[in-house]
Amino acid sequence: KAGVTQTPRYLIKTRGQQVTLSCSPISGHRSVSWYQQTPGQGLQFLFEYFSETQRNKGNFPGRFSGRQFSNSRSEMNVSTLELGDSALYLCASSSAASYGYTFGSGTRLTVV
Amino acid sequence: AQTVTQSQPEMSVQEAETVTLSCTYDTSESDYYLFWYKQPPSRQMILVIRQEAYKQQNATENRFSVNFQKAAKSFSLKISDSQLGDAAMYFCAFAQGGSEKLVFGKGTKLTVNP
Repeated sequence: KAGVTQTPRYLIKTRGQQVTLSCSPISGHRSVSWYQQTPGQGLQFLFEYFSETQRNKGNFPGRFSGRQFSNSRSEMNVSTLELGDSALYLCASSSAASYGYTFGSGTRLTVV
Repeated sequence: AQTVTQSQPEMSVQEAETVTLSCTYDTSESDYYLFWYKQPPSRQMILVIRQEAYKQQNATENRFSVNFQKAAKSFSLKISDSQLGDAAMYFCAFAQGGSEKLVFGKGTKLTVNP
């Protein structure tokens, strides 16, 4: 059974640009969540999607957005990138929160 | 808001010995789940063990076990017979029942010495 796949693995962008990150969940998992991981703030919840609907949103500015497609694949978009957006972005999928989440290997975003 | 606290930024253990990582959490809810995740240098978060709050029995997964003290809101992880491959960052996480949002602690870096 394939795991959670995130692409790309690494990304370097310039301040002011926008970026789109992709996540393919485990087959059959309908819930997809995104987290930002930085040395200073640790792991912070961005948002969660289930059946193409955003059910939860973390405390991030509107520059951070996401969506989920009918095949459960998800994308997150960050517009007008800032230096502080440099982070590891992790995607996780689950059939139900009680079972725990399976994480992808993340996308390392560097904003210069 | 729920919070998760890991008071040990770093821990070390000798190979084959036992180590316990601490975690406390704060919630007013009665329906929730607790998790320990491991993040090696490869970056991928790996679920180590999970515990349902309504279960009094402590969860066990091979060499990993937890000490869940609901009244004290404590959820420690014990690693027995530590192996070099156990070296990683360990994160304690909380999920409220009905919510898909995980709240993580700051993590504990575990070093295993040969």
